[in-house]
Amino acid sequence: DAGITQSPRHKVTETGTPVTLRCHQTENHRYMYWYRQDPGHGLRLIHYSYGVKDTDKGEVSDGYSVSRSKTEDFLLTLESATSSQTSVYFCAIEGTGGREQFFGPGTRLTVL
Amino acid sequence: RKEVEQDPGPFNVPEGATVAFNCTYSNSASQSFFWYRQDCRKEPKLLMSVYSSGNEDGRFTAQLNRASQYISLLIRDSKLSDSATYLCVVKSSGGSYIPTFGRGTSLIVHP
Repeated sequence: DAGITQSPRHKVTETGTPVTLRCHQTENHRYMYWYRQDPGHGLRLIHYSYGVKDTDKGEVSDGYSVSRSKTEDFLLTLESATSSQTSVYFCAIEGTGGREQFFGPGTRLTVL
Repeated sequence: RKEVEQDPGPFNVPEGATVAFNCTYSNSASQSFFWYRQDCRKEPKLLMSVYSSGNEDGRFTAQLNRASQYISLLIRDSKLSDSATYLCVVKSSGGSYIPTFGRGTSLIVHP
């Protein structure tokens, strides 16, 4: 196991509410990523981080923000959730070799 | 054209069959290649890295063809437990650590 946890694992919320998802790693890896996975689209990168306070956008970053104040935690915030953000969200870290990624168990988010 | 393309399948094969998946990529600067396996409602898990010389892990063989820009995954003696979605992943050089995922190929192994 790569020591990655995500919380919450499931969440149902209403349109317009803010939502924060947490990714926690115990491996002290520099790179962390947030993806969403939807049928027909595969995994799409939302944001990633290459160090504390260092983040950058992925291909589907609109409506999302991230923060990384500690190496072990990478937070994803939906400022005002919309139904189009209903998805499964995966966090990932880059492995020790700097090549492969390891994924957390995912958060299933439903926005009503 | 999507950067990484896979046949979505599903590939429906009997136990014991040999099945092969291909994945094409568009960026000739790509340097690292991987196959991941994803079970229904679970996270993707690394199956194997793909090396230039090809590599084998038990019943699984991965190969890279740089000239034609594709990687392949061969599964021999398919088991029921091999039923899953197989994701192709490509990473490029140039300082970016951002991998590109294919949409996955679904494999169903039946008795």
